[in-house]
Amino acid sequence: DAGVTQSPTHLIKTRGQQVTLRCSPKSGHDTVSWYQQALGQGPQFIFQYYEEEERQRGNFPDRFSGHQFPNYSSELNVNALLLGDSALYLCASSAWGNQPQHFGDGTRLSIL
Amino acid sequence: GQNIDQPTEMTATEGAIVQINCTYQTSGFNGLFWYQQHAGEAPTFLSYNVLDGLEEKGRFSSFLSRSKGYSYLLLKELQMKDSASYLCAVHNDYKLSFGAGTTVTVRA
Repeated sequence: DAGVTQSPTHLIKTRGQQVTLRCSPKSGHDTVSWYQQALGQGPQFIFQYYEEEERQRGNFPDRFSGHQFPNYSSELNVNALLLGDSALYLCASSAWGNQPQHFGDGTRLSIL
Repeated sequence: GQNIDQPTEMTATEGAIVQINCTYQTSGFNGLFWYQQHAGEAPTFLSYNVLDGLEEKGRFSSFLSRSKGYSYLLLKELQMKDSASYLCAVHNDYKLSFGAGTTVTVRA
């Protein structure tokens, strides 16, 4: 039973570029949440997707957007990258109405 | 707003017991999670408390007092592999709000 999978593992971009990160949820899970984790900090909630719609959003600018597909997989898009966007981006999945959230290994994004 | 506090670092000896405290002030509360995160890895689920009291799961136990906005994670019979960051997270609406994490170092 595959857990949450994320791709790519690492990514290097320059300021102003755009990036797309991908996530496949754990089998049986239909809800996907995205988090940003800066070094030495706890994960910060970006947004959550359920039934292909953004259900809740944290305090992140509109440069951060997402999508959920009919197979429950999800993408996180970040436009106009800033140096401060360098972080570990974590995807977590859960079954609606049931916890806990299970995390993928993350994508390490570095902005030069 | 969300305010979740936990100590930054703790050090303990192999075989000992360590208690990691977490206090929270949040606009809503559905439950409290504890996750373990080794350096460079994903957080892994340890425990979930919804009601007041102690939840025991092997060497790990977690306690919740909703009236006091307080939880703790108790790690018993510490092993070297328990060296990691421990994250306290409040479940509110659909999201998790995390503390900054407590780095536990286990020494021989």
